[in-house]
Amino acid sequence: NAGVTQTPKFRILKIGQSMTLQCTQDMNHNYMYWYRQDPGMGLKLIYYSVGAGITDKGEVPNGYNVSRSTTEDFPLRLELAAPSQTSVYFCASSKLTGNQPQHFGDGTRLSIL
Amino acid sequence: RKEVEQDPGPFNVPEGATVAFNCTYSNSASQSFFWYRQDCRKEPKLLMSVYSSGNEDGRFTAQLNRASQYISLLIRDSKLSDSATYLCVVNNYGQNFVFGPGTRLSVLP
Repeated sequence: NAGVTQTPKFRILKIGQSMTLQCTQDMNHNYMYWYRQDPGMGLKLIYYSVGAGITDKGEVPNGYNVSRSTTEDFPLRLELAAPSQTSVYFCASSKLTGNQPQHFGDGTRLSIL
Repeated sequence: RKEVEQDPGPFNVPEGATVAFNCTYSNSASQSFFWYRQDCRKEPKLLMSVYSSGNEDGRFTAQLNRASQYISLLIRDSKLSDSATYLCVVNNYGQNFVFGPGTRLSVLP
């Protein structure tokens, strides 16, 4: 029972490089989310999706892009990495129907140097 | 006023103690409520959902007070392994989950 799977678990990037953080879920959840969490801080929503082909901005979308071509996958793209994007990134998913919690992947730890 | 507020702590309690956390929310239309725990540098993990009538799971009891717009979490017989940050999460509609800043708990031997 995989749940939400994120890859890679760790990555170091140089300023200006780009990369894609992968997220996939096998629970047939409609909703998917990307959060970032800086040290000692709370979760901040970057982007979310309510279904394949539909995405929307969260609280801190600048510097990121997402796509949702399938129900299972919700990749997060960093185009021009900046030191301010050093963080832990969590992907989560939840069911369409109400009163259902979010389920989180185990995170990607990203450092921009 | 923040949408979901929690006392950041830290709460330092001895093993075996009972500890309670409160969380207040500002949106009276909020529909569902959850407690998550987050260990250092790990992902948030669902601890329990919070139901209107209150619910219990082993040593953990959650209560919801809609009139006063707060939820609570009670931990009895604290274990060292309970040391973590406890996140209050409120769902207002559909995909809109709002996380509190978390309350840190340290259970001391």
